[in-house]
Amino acid sequence: DTAVSQTPKYLVTQMGNDKSIKCEQNLGHDTMYWYKQDSKKFLKIMFSYNNKELIINETVPNRFSPKSPDKAHLNLHINSLELGDSAVYFCASSLDGQGAYGYTFGSGTRLTVV
Amino acid sequence: AQSVTQPDIHITVSEGASLELRCNYSYGATPYLFWYVQSPGQGLQLLLKYFSGDTLVQGIKGFEAEFKRSQSSFNLRKPSVHWSDAAEYFCAVVPLYSGGYNKLIFGAGTRLAVHP
Repeated sequence: DTAVSQTPKYLVTQMGNDKSIKCEQNLGHDTMYWYKQDSKKFLKIMFSYNNKELIINETVPNRFSPKSPDKAHLNLHINSLELGDSAVYFCASSLDGQGAYGYTFGSGTRLTVV
Repeated sequence: AQSVTQPDIHITVSEGASLELRCNYSYGATPYLFWYVQSPGQGLQLLLKYFSGDTLVQGIKGFEAEFKRSQSSFNLRKPSVHWSDAAEYFCAVVPLYSGGYNKLIFGAGTRLAVHP
């Protein structure tokens, strides 16, 4: 039973399209995150939600819009996709917003924009 | 500037040899410290973490890490490397701020290759 699951695992789409990535955690954690891993493997936080409330919003283009319908789900919608959006996107969760116990990551969604 | 540094981008070791991956951080107070591993095409798996107490931390897969406050370091070690350890290793920190919410910040990663 996967703790943090993301769908889809792979996503290939054309520039200008709109796409969504879904994430669900069954750990009972309060806080969820989106991270982006670029082609050089560098990981950077994008957003964080705590109990459906946005608590961290890094400098991300407003074409990216997270949505958390409940504390077990955090989706990422991307409008007007650009070539530079190609990356691996990881969802993660933590027990609380303090992060002391570490984060549990999903297996990632590889987004390729052509 | 506040940062997490992994000085070695790429390390190659022979199977059975010992391993040490370096990590240094630059934050005012000691942050929470973590090591994650990412196998090719996979997600991130937590190897171990340090909050306080004993400075030598044991993790999964035979890994350990030692926290050294004087050096602001949290180096990862394994006495004998297996071919299956070939992966990308990330040091990460959660800086501690008074109030508010924290976030996990990653180093740039060290790619480990293992020769038979």
